[in-house]
Amino acid sequence: DAGVIQSPRHEVTEMGQEVTLRCKPISGHDYLFWYRQTMMRGLELLIYFNNNVPIDDSGMPEDRFSAKMPNASFSTLKIQPSEPRDSAVYFCASSNTLRDTQYFGPGTRLTVL
Amino acid sequence: GNSVTQMEGPVTLSEEAFLTINCTYTATGYPSLFWYVQYPGEGLQLLLKATKADDKGSNKGFEATYRKETTSFHLEKGSVQVSDSAVYFCALTGGGNKLTFGTGTQLKVEL
Repeated sequence: DAGVIQSPRHEVTEMGQEVTLRCKPISGHDYLFWYRQTMMRGLELLIYFNNNVPIDDSGMPEDRFSAKMPNASFSTLKIQPSEPRDSAVYFCASSNTLRDTQYFGPGTRLTVL
Repeated sequence: GNSVTQMEGPVTLSEEAFLTINCTYTATGYPSLFWYVQYPGEGLQLLLKATKADDKGSNKGFEATYRKETTSFHLEKGSVQVSDSAVYFCALTGGGNKLTFGTGTQLKVEL
């Protein structure tokens, strides 16, 4: 299996622009997770899906953040408008069940100028 | 709710030294316990796991034993290498809850 695929790997944008991060989970995994990692706040869970349905979005920082999973093989995390404090590495992960090992993608490094 | 506490880093060791990274947890029921490792510039990957009390997880020379009586899952390695330099995360799932991570411990191994 190719593992979890994320794109782009790096994104540099200006404040106020819309940013869309993409994720393809491992085939057959029912759970998909979006995380954010910064030096100051560490690793934070933003939202997770089960069978394409958002289950817990309590970690989404603001209304500027939204996530969708239109089908079992694709998810997006959108930030609109972006701000410099959104600069971070965003990871996508997937798993078979909630208790199983999560497999992480390589991450998207976002820089908002 | 569930929580994980792990020792703060960075931990700096010489090559071939013995490694211990402490991890304790709070959880209801019978959680599964994990250690993940993050190498520079990469995503997290599973290092080892244990799903019930007294289980020992092991991989790449690393070991951790699920101790329910002390609610601990300490990571150990007998002889570290420079290539082990990374950030190590202790984590747990249980009670129908999603994975809960510790704050991570950075390990630096020097020649």
